[in-house]
Amino acid sequence: EPEVTQTPSHQVTQMGQEVILRCVPISNHLYFYWYRQILGQKVEFLVSFYNNEISEKSEIFDDQFSVERPDGSNFTLKIRSTKLEDSAMYFCASSEALVRVGYEQYFGPGTRLTVT
Amino acid sequence: RKEVEQDPGPFNVPEGATVAFNCTYSNSASQSFFWYRQDCRKEPKLLMSVYSSGNEDGRFTAQLNRASQYISLLIRDSKLSDSATYLCVVINSGYSTLTFGKGTMLLVSP
Repeated sequence: EPEVTQTPSHQVTQMGQEVILRCVPISNHLYFYWYRQILGQKVEFLVSFYNNEISEKSEIFDDQFSVERPDGSNFTLKIRSTKLEDSAMYFCASSEALVRVGYEQYFGPGTRLTVT
Repeated sequence: RKEVEQDPGPFNVPEGATVAFNCTYSNSASQSFFWYRQDCRKEPKLLMSVYSSGNEDGRFTAQLNRASQYISLLIRDSKLSDSATYLCVVINSGYSTLTFGKGTMLLVSP
């Protein structure tokens, strides 16, 4: 069964450093997403991406964040200057079409980001 | 007011029990509804979509009440493997992204 993959599974970084989280969405999917989940909190939407551009973003997704699909298979989330409060699990997701009943978003296993 | 509210639990039930969770949503324009399941430190996985007329999938039944803006999930004949956090998820009209509740934890004991 096709699946979304993410690397690394765990990333430890120092405050102020840049990190890049990588995702490989399911190959025939056209819509890509990043969510985050701070420990003990709910899953929160960050950004969606379609046709090589951002289609929606939340207020969490400020100038410190950027996304890219550099090579047609990878989908990356960059945090330019990490803060302690960026520590969270980051989930990548993809869907074949705009998500609604009948069109599921498939989630990757997540990257746990720890900022020290 | 939170967009999607759930009782965090935990709900502790014995194997074989029937358990029900409710979820309320604040945006009356919400258009699509789902229940996801999340195991500890794992990704959310779709359990079932929620149709306007209600729907059943094996031991799981989902109901939607648009007038009262709540969604329910009923689990019959609970199994140990049902232990997880159940996430209520909505899509708001005009958007394609998922809005999650904080989840309800279910613990099924032998």
